[in-house]
Amino acid sequence: GQQLNQSPQSMFIQEGEDVSMNCTSSSIFNTWLWYKQDPGEGPVLLIALYKAGELTSNGRLTAQFGITRKDSFLNISASIPSDVGIYFCAALTGNQFYFGTGTSLTVIP
Amino acid sequence: NAGVTQTPKFQVLKTGQSMTLQCAQDMNHEYMSWYRQDPGMGLRLIHYSVGAGITDQGEVPNGYNVSRSTTEDFPLRLLSAAPSQTSVYFCASSYAGGDYEQYFGPGTRLTVT
Repeated sequence: GQQLNQSPQSMFIQEGEDVSMNCTSSSIFNTWLWYKQDPGEGPVLLIALYKAGELTSNGRLTAQFGITRKDSFLNISASIPSDVGIYFCAALTGNQFYFGTGTSLTVIP
Repeated sequence: NAGVTQTPKFQVLKTGQSMTLQCAQDMNHEYMSWYRQDPGMGLRLIHYSVGAGITDQGEVPNGYNVSRSTTEDFPLRLLSAAPSQTSVYFCASSYAGGDYEQYFGPGTRLTVT
């Protein structure tokens, strides 16, 4: 099956710092997505990207769809304690979604 | 709207037992799907459905059956549970197949002993 390689696996940062994580694949996708999952809950969509090279922002979050269509990154600026959670990239091909292995983010006040 | 609901929230089974995980949505979504989430593995698609009466296999379908008799419900059946099926199961729905905005349920934590 498809494999999305997400890095880093975990991050420990000070409140106020910026965060960057990325996702790569050997396959081409037409849609890239970023989700956040809080403990004991299902993932919630943060940003969706539809075109190669597209750069999209949602508040302090910025994500880009790589020009090769094989990668994407997510940046979080000026982190706050409620940013804590697991961030997943996902990619869509046809009717099937594929998810990365997640980046666990800890924000130290 | 309740969104996507899943029952039960927790379940313990013995090897070989069968059970059905329930999933329902009240958003009139055509597309529904089941995932399992294991540590370090992310979410993996088990089965999905693009509408009532239509189901298809995802990435890891073995050991699971699904059916879609109504738009609202998409149950996942384990016919003979195995310890390898210990996981957290999420149901999700979206307006249409290929629609990015999936809404996830709260999950079912299943342990098979």
